Amino acid sequence: GAVVSQHPSWVICKSGTSVKIECRSLDFQATTMFWYRQFPKQSLMLMATSNEGSKATYEQGVEKDKFLINHASLTLSTLTVTSAHPEDSSFYICSARDPILETQYFGPGTRLLVL
Amino acid sequence: DAKTTQPTSMDCAEGRAANLPCNHSTISGNEYVYWYRQIHSQGPQYIIHGLKNNETNEMASLIITEDRKSSTLILPHATLRDTAVYYCIAPSGQLTFGSGTQLTVLP
Repeated sequence: GAVVSQHPSWVICKSGTSVKIECRSLDFQATTMFWYRQFPKQSLMLMATSNEGSKATYEQGVEKDKFLINHASLTLSTLTVTSAHPEDSSFYICSARDPILETQYFGPGTRLLVL
Repeated sequence: DAKTTQPTSMDCAEGRAANLPCNHSTISGNEYVYWYRQIHSQGPQYIIHGLKNNETNEMASLIITEDRKSSTLILPHATLRDTAVYYCIAPSGQLTFGSGTQLTVLP
């Protein structure tokens, strides 16, 4: 299947700092990418949908000023967690939609720990 | 998204077929059924999807009932590495994940 990569795979940061996570579709162009968050023993929760060249659409309860999303090209989307706090510690997963196969493919996830 | 209902957990003996059911009685005519699985601490992995006809690929088979109100994912020869949470999703747009079925393949 198609490959989606994420970087970094894990990150530890101090409270108050910002963290950027990159998501790339390696073998297809994705006009739409998605960001999810997963807390321990819970299912994935959609945070936002980003379309290349336009502003992201955030789900209810997700602060757009805290979770900055940029979808600058058809193969790259970034999520920046600004002024991270311990409650932002979670597993962040991106996915990209292949418009030809009409299927979403997921990255391996980024584990964030805020101290 | 159409609401989907899956059993919370299932066990399967290694080497046997694993049959995972999913009910999606409110699915609309143009909504596909997608199956993903998530192995612990990894991102979800796409398995298969279908609309009306049964589908098969190298990973699994998908059987969709004629009225499209339910489907079954079949892993023909389950291995220990198939232990994961399996999600059945019938999206109208982006994928929304429910609780899924925890499949445990036993040696």
